[in-house]
This record gives sequence, C-alpha cells and structure tokens, in this order.
Amino acid sequence: QQPVQSPQAMILREGEDAVINCSSSKALYSVHWYRQKHGEAPVFLMILLKGGEQKGHDKISASFNEKKQQSSLYLTASQLSYSGTYFCGTVLMNNNAGNMLTFGGGTRLMVKP
Amino acid sequence: DTEVTQTPKHLVMGMTNKKSLKCEQHMGHRAMYWYKQKAKKPPELMFVYSYEKLSINESVPSRFSPECPNSSLLNLHLHALQPEDSALYLCASSPGQINTDTQYFGPGTRLTVL
Repeated sequence: QQPVQSPQAMILREGEDAVINCSSSKALYSVHWYRQKHGEAPVFLMILLKGGEQKGHDKISASFNEKKQQSSLYLTASQLSYSGTYFCGTVLMNNNAGNMLTFGGGTRLMVKP
Repeated sequence: DTEVTQTPKHLVMGMTNKKSLKCEQHMGHRAMYWYKQKAKKPPELMFVYSYEKLSINESVPSRFSPECPNSSLLNLHLHALQPEDSALYLCASSPGQINTDTQYFGPGTRLTVL
C-alpha cells in the first residue's frame, strides 16, 4: 500500500516555505522522510512514530497526525541545497509482510535563487 | 563509519551474462536491504536480510539471487537479466528493528542490461 504524496512537484524561490504531504489509507506505525538528489542515494531526514509527534532540525520539521494517517514535511526559508526529490516511507501497523518500508511517489522540489 | 558502500558504481551487461553487485557496511547493522529504483520513481524493496537471514522477498524474479555471507556484506547475483531490469540498485542497512530504525543508503549501482 503505497502512500500518496502531494504535491508531485514544486518550484520555490530561495527563502520561501513549503509543505509536503504524505497520506495513507491504512493505519501507520511510522513515517520516514528522505531526500534524494539527482544521481545520489536517498538521505535520511527523520522518523516519526505512532502516537503522533513532531520533529525538526534546522529549518526542516515534520508532523504525524495519527488520526488522519497523514504526515507533513515543513521546509522553512528554503535554501538552494533543499532541491531534490523528497520521499516519505511508511510502515503499516500490524504489517504481516514484516514491517517493510514502502515509499511514496516522491515530491520533486526545485529551489531557485 | 556511517557509510554503506556499493560496487561497482556502473555495470553494463548482456542478457546472457552473470554478474554480482556488492554492498558493505561496518556500522554493526543487523538488517540489510536491496532496492530497485527506476528513473523518477521511488525505491522499490526487493529483499530484506535480518541477522543474516532472508526475511523478506518481495516476489522478485529468480534471475535475482541475494546472498548475505556475513553481517557486513550483502551481494546480489544477477543472471539472464532482461532490458527492463535496467535501473539503479540501492543497498541500505539499519541497526535492527525494521519498522523504527533509520535506513542508511549506499550510492547505488547503475545497471544497464543490453
């Protein structure tokens, strides 16, 4: 059950804020956020666990709404280095497949000067 | 050392060739993964090894054969591949608990099947 990400793509000017959403139709145990630059490996940003929580470091933060099975990634005062594709990965509650991580379709972000 | 290394970086092979991809980590992680990623698509899980035992096989064709010789190494043996198998193959590792642990990705092997 692949989570749904929105938007699929966005263009920002340096300094602007952005929100990327990740939704699941099934109950989630955890949500993982990664950023992947072109030609590079995905890089871990943060994990949010069931129970609903918020996390953040520097100007990137995220929330997990357990009731809505939705997570949002917040990018504040975007920098050129934020460009890349953002993936959310979800682990389902009571996943009989062994708690595998399933990635959403990705959100391609371009930050321009 | 917080690095996952993969070799080779690029691989071109014919449909009758046999080749292997190699992944190594020295972080003491006990879970290792193979993913396949097509252009502009998310990584798709292929295999998971937990404590050196295959725990998840996502219905991957038998022309892909994983092997975990020890806790630091993960191989993916390739045989009789098809052109549609061309993709970026990513290896990842995590400390242990699959559903709560961070997965650290290697740089990938870009595979082209002719």
